Amino acid sequence: GAVVSQHPSWVICKSGTSVKIECRSLDFQATTMFWYRQFPKQSLMLMATSNEGSKATYEQGVEKDKFLINHASLTLSTLTVTSAHPEDSSFYICSAAGLADFQETQYFGPGTRLLVL
Amino acid sequence: EDQVTQSPEALRLQEGESSSLNCSYTVSGLRGLFWYRQDPGKGPEFLFTLYSAGEEKEKERLKATLTKKESFLHITAPKPEDSATYLCAVQAGTDKLIFGTGTRLQVFP
Repeated sequence: GAVVSQHPSWVICKSGTSVKIECRSLDFQATTMFWYRQFPKQSLMLMATSNEGSKATYEQGVEKDKFLINHASLTLSTLTVTSAHPEDSSFYICSAAGLADFQETQYFGPGTRLLVL
Repeated sequence: EDQVTQSPEALRLQEGESSSLNCSYTVSGLRGLFWYRQDPGKGPEFLFTLYSAGEEKEKERLKATLTKKESFLHITAPKPEDSATYLCAVQAGTDKLIFGTGTRLQVFP
């Protein structure tokens, strides 16, 4: 149980285009989902917290107009990188908060590698 | 300011050589301490949650312990397949996780 999927697993796009990444909780409902980015050999950096049916909460320094987050249902959140540039190239990982042993735990997706040319 | 520090940054072990990874934290109001394993190019895999000092949890060759200032991940008789980056994270006043920078473990046959 507690499986989170992401699609696509990798994407290459041209500078200036927009890219949408989907995050799904497959076998549980998640009222809260989180989006992280990770640079090589670094730890995870939280970008935003997403609650179903409400606006996402962005971390300081993250441009909300560039990284659009939609949490339309209890099993799906999307991250759209608008007008992507090479500096947006990174590994993007989502997580969904679910219950493990009756206590809330974040379960992570497999990640999406974005390369902007 | 809430902070998580992991040591060592990297650890090389011979197969069967037991060792421990450290996670020191400074938070106001710990709600939970989490251990994850991350393989290259993949998302973190949940291992353990610890909630109070003195708590211990085990899974196969891994055992996690918690005190008021730090957590240890003990690896007993590791195998090459235990090679990965082990991440520690704490949850304080909000739902957010604050991650350490991880320990890269390599186990050689």
